[in-house]
Amino acid sequence: EVQLVQSGAEVKKPGESLKISCKGSGYSFTSYWIGWVRQMPGKGLEWMGIIYPGDSDTRYSPSFQGQVTISADKSISTAYLQWSSLKASDTAMYYCARRITIFGTAFDIWGQGTMVTVSS
Amino acid sequence: AIQLTQSPSSLSASVGDRVTITCRASQGISSALAWYQQKPGKAPKLLIYDASSLESGVPSRFSGSGSGTDFTLTISSLQPEDFATYYCQQFNSYPMYSFGQGTKLEIK
Repeated sequence: EVQLVQSGAEVKKPGESLKISCKGSGYSFTSYWIGWVRQMPGKGLEWMGIIYPGDSDTRYSPSFQGQVTISADKSISTAYLQWSSLKASDTAMYYCARRITIFGTAFDIWGQGTMVTVSS
Repeated sequence: AIQLTQSPSSLSASVGDRVTITCRASQGISSALAWYQQKPGKAPKLLIYDASSLESGVPSRFSGSGSGTDFTLTISSLQPEDFATYYCQQFNSYPMYSFGQGTKLEIK
């Protein structure tokens, strides 16, 4: 079964660092782009950025450039989203998703989401 | 950046109704558009890719059309499980694959 499994919910304080993960299985992890999407409580989906695990080519939405770091470890089929200094406004659900093909116009497989809560 | 505007933002309909949701792009995006369904507490689910291609396993009552700047998602006969929020996403502007703001479909 093709799936993306994300790490569990996190509760952090402002200023702390965090790295959440997204592990792919059932397919060739290095051959598909992985994207990250934010959903703040009660709000819509926001595009954050994308990585190609085969060569770690990474691109960011301007809204998130410099705010987060996307990375991948192809040896363990895992993509990451990390923050160096969290803010309360980072409180949200974060999803990873697989692009349907290398140039495809959709994300077909989604992780279950990781809820990040930042509160003092 | 390409902006996607969905209309309506919310919609009340009854089981059996035919429903159409519109997604308008701020500039032409060819057919590089996907539609997703999201239910509360769940990840989005892909319905349509390439503007009109039905994802495997998605019921045929869902269909997509359009190209350029205007796109529609149509549900031919609403079922109880279709009440959810729907999003469009464009893939023309690499790497800014923006989403529409969502359309919440509620039971009348």
